Amino acid sequence: DTGVSQDPRHKITKRGQNVTFRCDPISEHNRLYWYRQTLGQGPEFLTYFQNEAQLEKSRLLSDRFSAERPKGSFSTLEIQRTEQGDSAMYLCASSLARSGTGISYEQYFGPGTRLTVT
Amino acid sequence: GDSVTQMEGPVTLSEEAFLTINCTYTATGYPSLFWYVQYPGEGLQLLLKATKADDKGSNKGFEATYRKETTSFHLEKGSVQVSDSAVYFCALSASNTNAGKSTFGDGTTLTVKP
Repeated sequence: DTGVSQDPRHKITKRGQNVTFRCDPISEHNRLYWYRQTLGQGPEFLTYFQNEAQLEKSRLLSDRFSAERPKGSFSTLEIQRTEQGDSAMYLCASSLARSGTGISYEQYFGPGTRLTVT
Repeated sequence: GDSVTQMEGPVTLSEEAFLTINCTYTATGYPSLFWYVQYPGEGLQLLLKATKADDKGSNKGFEATYRKETTSFHLEKGSVQVSDSAVYFCALSASNTNAGKSTFGDGTTLTVKP
């Protein structure tokens, strides 16, 4: 178990540019979550996947944001035409939803990708 | 919607002092409750959890009891150490959906001085 990894750890971009972040979950975990955290606040839910299916998206996730998990393993989060308000820490978490219950509560977080839009 | 309210920080204590960080929540049904800790430069780590009323979660000397009557999940530790300095987040995961996503409080920064 190597934990959840995220890449890059830091990204500085100019307003209007596109950026893409990657998350590698714990290998046996079938659920993957994206959160956004701004300074002084707790993480806010953005979206989640069960295997390769994206099952829920927050209203926080504007049309400029898109997430994929093509093979049910790693995931990418892309932000198009970045704005200064997108500056935040983007957190990925994974968990194991056991068959028969579907509900999993214990999430394991990666170190995050800090995005700065100038 | 669901929400979590934590006591505002920052909290500064001397080593071996008693710690309480208050957390109250609003949710439908019977959520699961969590405390996460974030050390400087690191990701969130699950500290403890409780999945039903009157459950007590405990880990590394920290404890929290799920109190449904007061909708609270206060974090306590009898004797803090300098190494406990971190940001602590209270969170819930609603039971009325299958998503398992969490709703977090804004965090409380704890600094323990020698």
